[in-house]
Amino acid sequence: DTAVSQTPKYLVTQMGNDKSIKCEQNLGHDTMYWYKQDSKKFLKIMFSYNNKELIINETVPNRFSPKSPDKAHLNLHINSLELGDSAVYFCASSFTGQSYEQYFGPGTRLTVT
Amino acid sequence: EDQVTQSPEALRLQEGESSSLNCSYTVSGLRGLFWYRQDPGKGPEFLFTLYSAGEEKEKERLKATLTKKESFLHITAPKPEDSATYLCAVQARGYGQNFVFGPGTRLSVLP
Repeated sequence: DTAVSQTPKYLVTQMGNDKSIKCEQNLGHDTMYWYKQDSKKFLKIMFSYNNKELIINETVPNRFSPKSPDKAHLNLHINSLELGDSAVYFCASSFTGQSYEQYFGPGTRLTVT
Repeated sequence: EDQVTQSPEALRLQEGESSSLNCSYTVSGLRGLFWYRQDPGKGPEFLFTLYSAGEEKEKERLKATLTKKESFLHITAPKPEDSATYLCAVQARGYGQNFVFGPGTRLSVLP
């Protein structure tokens, strides 16, 4: 049974389009994250949601908006896609408490043409 | 600003040849240091969390250690299936402190 799942796995779209990536976790975690991994494989945090509240918002363009309908889901909506948005996006989840290790989803490879 | 560097960038070992990967960090009060393994086309897989200097954790052929400025991931008698990118990350104390990842070490173990 998949712990952290993302859909779609691949997303190819044109510049200017709007797209969403969905994430779901069944680990009972109370915090979820979105990361971007660029072509150099650097993993950078974009957002974090704790019990449906945004607690981290790194300096990402406001074209990116996270939406969390409940603590098991954290979706990422991207408006007006640009070439530089091409990357692999990972969702992750964790507990907030003594142990903060994160569990990652399989990733969504976004290609903007 | 919290920073994480890792060395070497890439490492090729023969099967059975033990070695160590380095993670150097600068953080304003460490909450935890994390090691992950990432296989191509997959998400990072959690390996260890270390909280304070002197702490050690082991799992199969891997052993992670922590000092006040760096962490080492020791790989003893590696096998080809240990080939992966190993990522180090730190989290600072304080509410909402984000995770900062290093660039990773790409390990190849040749049979």
